[in-house]
Amino acid sequence: AQSVSQHNHHVILSEAASLELGCNYSYGGTVNLFWYVQYPGQHLQLLLKYFSGDPLVKGIKGFEAEFIKSKFSFNLRKPSVQWSDTAEYFCAVGRGGGADGLTFGKGTHLIIQP
Amino acid sequence: EAEVAQSPRYKITEKSQAVAFWCDPISGHATLYWYRQILGQGPELLVQFQDESVVDDSQLPKDRFSAERLKGVDSTLKIQPAELGDSAMYLCASSNRANQETQYFGPGTRLLVL
Repeated sequence: AQSVSQHNHHVILSEAASLELGCNYSYGGTVNLFWYVQYPGQHLQLLLKYFSGDPLVKGIKGFEAEFIKSKFSFNLRKPSVQWSDTAEYFCAVGRGGGADGLTFGKGTHLIIQP
Repeated sequence: EAEVAQSPRYKITEKSQAVAFWCDPISGHATLYWYRQILGQGPELLVQFQDESVVDDSQLPKDRFSAERLKGVDSTLKIQPAELGDSAMYLCASSNRANQETQYFGPGTRLLVL
């Protein structure tokens, strides 16, 4: 069975600060990795995804994530956050090559202070 | 941009009553998922359909929950009878055959059981 662990449940940063949200997963096979974001009052939106290839993936709104296979990690980063990045961020894992349901972490609530 | 539609957006019911949620996936998406998201947690898969067939319902509490997708398009999730612990957000997602690993989420139905 898969599991996902997100290190921080709540993060508060000031605008222009750098962001790194941790995500570790547990699964013995090939994985697909995702970061989803949920802005206040909106539905889950895909930020970025990793299936294979370059372990550094870039997503929308200046976000990127790095897949480190040896550490079973897929951390989300952004060099300079904005107030509009305030949201809930979810890391998710799926079986590689499949269309299975995703296993999500508990989420990180990010608050950006102006 | 096509989106997953869900209704109702909010539902308040009393315990022991029956409730039903409806989902219309993005046109042409063969795979449909129902997730439950309890406050403060990440989404958890309840059931997955491929066209009109159930692919995975291992996490669906079958004594009270049922799901159908009769024509392989829209889907209904039913709870009967509802219990206090069913209060949650119920999310629907869909994916297409060409890009089956990527799921697109609807706005969800927030259920409150009194």
